[in-house]
Amino acid sequence: AQRVTQPEKLLSVFKGAPVELKCNYSYSGSPELFWYVQYSRQRLQLLLRHISRESIKGFTADLNKGETSFHLKKPFAQEEDSAMYYCALSGGTAGNKLTFGGGTRVLVKP
Amino acid sequence: GAVVSQHPSRVICKSGTSVKIECRSLDFQATTMFWYRQFPKQSLMLMATSNEGSKATYEQGVEKDKFLINHASLTLSTLTVTSAHPEDSSFYICSASHRAQGLNIQYFGAGTRLSVL
Repeated sequence: AQRVTQPEKLLSVFKGAPVELKCNYSYSGSPELFWYVQYSRQRLQLLLRHISRESIKGFTADLNKGETSFHLKKPFAQEEDSAMYYCALSGGTAGNKLTFGGGTRVLVKP
Repeated sequence: GAVVSQHPSRVICKSGTSVKIECRSLDFQATTMFWYRQFPKQSLMLMATSNEGSKATYEQGVEKDKFLINHASLTLSTLTVTSAHPEDSSFYICSASHRAQGLNIQYFGAGTRLSVL
């Protein structure tokens, strides 16, 4: 069975400080990993995906297969980064289904 | 980008009535759509996978007779909560799968808040 774990329910940081959201997964195969973000009163939207190796809004995430992790990082948090972040996994026999982690709420204080 | 429209955004109904929620992909065709349920302060739980032209695939523990899914076209899937009861009150979210740059990406609707009195 595939599972995604986000150990932190809430991360509170000051503006300009680094922020790292942890995501660990269990999956027997080659997964596709995603980070989705939900800003206040908005729909869930894709932030980034591991296969693209991209940086979006200053965020990066590296897939570490040895540690089965896909942590999301940003060196200098901004107030507009305050949101709910979900790590998600897809692939293999589950096809295109997404399995979501429990989510981490990020609060960036001024 | 790909846009998914979900309607209605909010519905209040009496216990025992049925409620239909629509999910439309506005600028792309989606052979696969998904229905999720989200309880307060919790993550999204997949309810079912909706496939155009065939029966939906339900996740374990989800009553298929309770949550009827129809995916009659490549741009529309509907979820009908039959004989709704207060415990069905929740936030329901749909997504549509769109293939771009070699990847299947899910785009989400804004959600429907169902309150059953």
